[in-house]
Amino acid sequence: KQEVTQIPAALSVPEGENLVLNCSFTDSAIYNLQWFRQDPGKGLTSLLLIQSSQREQTSGRLNASLDKSSGRSTLYIAASQPGDSATYLCAVCENSNYQLIWGAGTKLIIKP
Amino acid sequence: DGGITQSPKYLFRKEGQNVTLSCEQNLNHDAMYWYRQDPGQGLRLIYYSQIVNDFQKGDIAEGYSVSREKKESFPLTVTSAQKNPTAFYLCASRPGSLVAAFFGQGTRLTVV
Repeated sequence: KQEVTQIPAALSVPEGENLVLNCSFTDSAIYNLQWFRQDPGKGLTSLLLIQSSQREQTSGRLNASLDKSSGRSTLYIAASQPGDSATYLCAVCENSNYQLIWGAGTKLIIKP
Repeated sequence: DGGITQSPKYLFRKEGQNVTLSCEQNLNHDAMYWYRQDPGQGLRLIYYSQIVNDFQKGDIAEGYSVSREKKESFPLTVTSAQKNPTAFYLCASRPGSLVAAFFGQGTRLTVV
């Protein structure tokens, strides 16, 4: 059974730093992996989607990588800002029935 | 504007009462999902539907029911059989397995 793990559960860094969030999964037979952002009490916003055939995706200051063979994905945030403070979740889609398997998230705090 | 609308934002349920959470999308997406989110845990799938008039149980379907009579709508009923319904409920949709999922803003259900 696929399991998705995100470590650390929480992270606090000063503004301006570059940082990396980690996501690992146990079964490499995935269709794609998606990173989301969630603000307190809100729904989820999709940040980046990486197909299984891709190695990375970029959007602005965000870069997500995927290494299927090792079961890992990273979300790189450059030049962090206080507005980046949120919980970041990763999810894998492992089969054609559209289901997503979720990590528990990393709560990120960017200190001004 | 295209998107997913969940209502209400906050909902209070008395013991033994059934309540229905609304989810409507105007994105013309085939697949729709209901997730439950508890503090410190990943999202858990309650039910999902890939086409109209068809839906499947997720990992925690007991005590919940759904219908999919229209493509745009996927309401979730929390029945009295659900013994611990206090949680944040999220609805999502996506047009296919290779495309990002879109989320509503969530409904927070509290038992009083």
